[in-house]
Amino acid sequence: DGGITQSPKYLFRKEGQNVTLSCEQNLNHDAMYWYRQDPGQGLRLIYYSQIVNDFQKGDIAEGYSVSREKKESFPLTVTSAQKNPTAFYLCASQGTLGTGELFFGEGSRLTVL
Amino acid sequence: RKEVEQDPGPFNVPEGATVAFNCTYSNSASQSFFWYRQDCRKEPKLLMSVYSSGNEDGRFTAQLNRASQYISLLIRDSKLSDSATYLCVVFVGTGGFKTIFGAGTRLFVKA
Repeated sequence: DGGITQSPKYLFRKEGQNVTLSCEQNLNHDAMYWYRQDPGQGLRLIYYSQIVNDFQKGDIAEGYSVSREKKESFPLTVTSAQKNPTAFYLCASQGTLGTGELFFGEGSRLTVL
Repeated sequence: RKEVEQDPGPFNVPEGATVAFNCTYSNSASQSFFWYRQDCRKEPKLLMSVYSSGNEDGRFTAQLNRASQYISLLIRDSKLSDSATYLCVVFVGTGGFKTIFGAGTRLFVKA
């Protein structure tokens, strides 16, 4: 079945450690996104990518990094520079940037101890 | 002021009730509008797109008023399974890509 797969689903990290969240899609979508969701808040955009080898900062990119070496994959690294990384992270894809339905992965819940 | 604002909720309604959610957006260049549904600790899923002419999908009706920059979602004959958070989503394509999510309105439908 086509869809988006995020891993891991749950992740615990010590302060000062970098962690990479995986996002893979087999929908043949060009656009991919990373969002962060905190309790009681809407989704906030971290990074997005329109095509392979290209990505743009969203509203809260500080402390995060991404890569888009393959169309199917858009991993997110939460670096030690991110001051408050505990959150629910959602990856999404879209056929064409800004057009049509956003398809989300099941999310990765990161807790910093 | 937030770019997309929704009723804070939560809404607590009995089964069979009709419930309406409101959403306002501040950017007049907004181009596309959506309602997503998010169950507790799950990912959002598209409920319906919103068109100027209004659109209906079974018990759900969405309306857009561009002049007032206002979007609504009406749920008729509420079911227990409608309990979820409803997210208003606005896409602004001018001056750089931007999809903005509202904070969501939580709905509890009780037996």
